[in-house]
Amino acid sequence: NAGVMQNPRHLVRRRGQEARLRCSPMKGHSHVYWYRQLPEEGLKFMVYLQKENIIDESGMPKERFSAEFPKEGPSILRIQQVVRGDSAAYFCASLGQLNTEAFFGQGTRLTVV
Amino acid sequence: AQSVAQPEDQVNVAEGNPLTVKCTYSVSGNPYLFWYVQYPNRGLQFLLKYITGDNLVKGSYGFEAEFNKSQTSFHLKKPSALVSDSALYFCAVRANQAGTALIFGKGTTLSVSS
Repeated sequence: NAGVMQNPRHLVRRRGQEARLRCSPMKGHSHVYWYRQLPEEGLKFMVYLQKENIIDESGMPKERFSAEFPKEGPSILRIQQVVRGDSAAYFCASLGQLNTEAFFGQGTRLTVV
Repeated sequence: AQSVAQPEDQVNVAEGNPLTVKCTYSVSGNPYLFWYVQYPNRGLQFLLKYITGDNLVKGSYGFEAEFNKSQTSFHLKKPSALVSDSALYFCAVRANQAGTALIFGKGTTLSVSS
């Protein structure tokens, strides 16, 4: 049973480009969380998704950021027109219907140059 | 709104000594509480959880945590620290109801010296 898979592990984008981060949850899991981690700032909640549904997006910036979790395929965190301040590690975690704890991927480290 | 406080940015302890990493929380209703550990350039690994029942929960690698409802705390403990325990530790909470987000504290860096 594969764990939570995130790709790419490292992503470099120039300012103004788009970044797409992918998260494949554990088999059978239908809930996904996305977090952003910056040094000295801990793990900041961004969005909580169920398949085809956004449950809580209170942590998402109002502009340029969007997330989806389609019926088929991975969850996608999309950042449009990236800026240097978007450079961070982005983690996703998945949760099954019967689980109480979330399982994390290895993260995508985004660098905006 | 849910929140988690980890009051110490860093905890230093000598190998073989007991360690405590503090966590307090705020949540509406009954909490689900968790501890995770993160090693450099890695994702978070689940250590232990409190859902219901016994206030003292045991987890991986000899760690345990005590749920204290009156103090809204969930401190992580280990009787005898190892150098290999050195890592970043996160406390997390979510409310005991469907559709609630999992919220993390800022993390505490544990440094165990030999």
